[in-house]
Amino acid sequence: DTGVSQNPRHKITKRGQNVTFRCDPISEHNRLYWYRQTLGQGPEFLTYFQNEAQLEKSRLLSDRFSAERPKGSFSTLEIQRTEQGDSAMYLCASQTGQETQYFGPGTRLLVL
Amino acid sequence: GENVEQHPSTLSVQEGDSAVIKCTYSDSASNYFPWYKQELGKGPQLIIDIRSNVGEKKDQRIAVTLNKTAKHFSLHITETQPEDSAVYFCAASTGGFKTIFGAGTRLFVKA
Repeated sequence: DTGVSQNPRHKITKRGQNVTFRCDPISEHNRLYWYRQTLGQGPEFLTYFQNEAQLEKSRLLSDRFSAERPKGSFSTLEIQRTEQGDSAMYLCASQTGQETQYFGPGTRLLVL
Repeated sequence: GENVEQHPSTLSVQEGDSAVIKCTYSDSASNYFPWYKQELGKGPQLIIDIRSNVGEKKDQRIAVTLNKTAKHFSLHITETQPEDSAVYFCAASTGGFKTIFGAGTRLFVKA
């Protein structure tokens, strides 16, 4: 399967704990996006990488959130000191050039 | 800021009928309009897209129309089937990194 993959698919954590999610994009795609999706809403942009460079971050992304794409391939999204309001689906998408974004299956986070 | 409004939020149709979902965008620089289908527990999957230099595009039972003057675009699904039941999202992009999504339409196709 050469699509976008995300791990884990589900994560339950206690408030205050740190969590890290991984995204593996389609191999030839140089752009990688992170989105957050809450129930009944469309995906909301969090951050974007072109190769290894993080070029844009949303104001939604508090300083507890950090993302990396160290070698321009896979990416990680870390949330420190999780809060209940962080509960959501975290989606990764990849893109080449200015073409379509292809989404992964998402990581569903529940903060208790 | 830029936004995309999507209507209706819920749509229920009988199998075989047509379904229409409408979106309005605010950023006149938008030039790419994808539509995504999201099934329960899965990420959004592209079903059709249209660029601003085209007014209509069709792919089997799915068609999309674009009215740039009115900043409206619509998804049309004909001969609906139960497997079309899902949440559908419209989106608008200026071709850069930013894609703005609508809030989604939950489509129920009753057998």
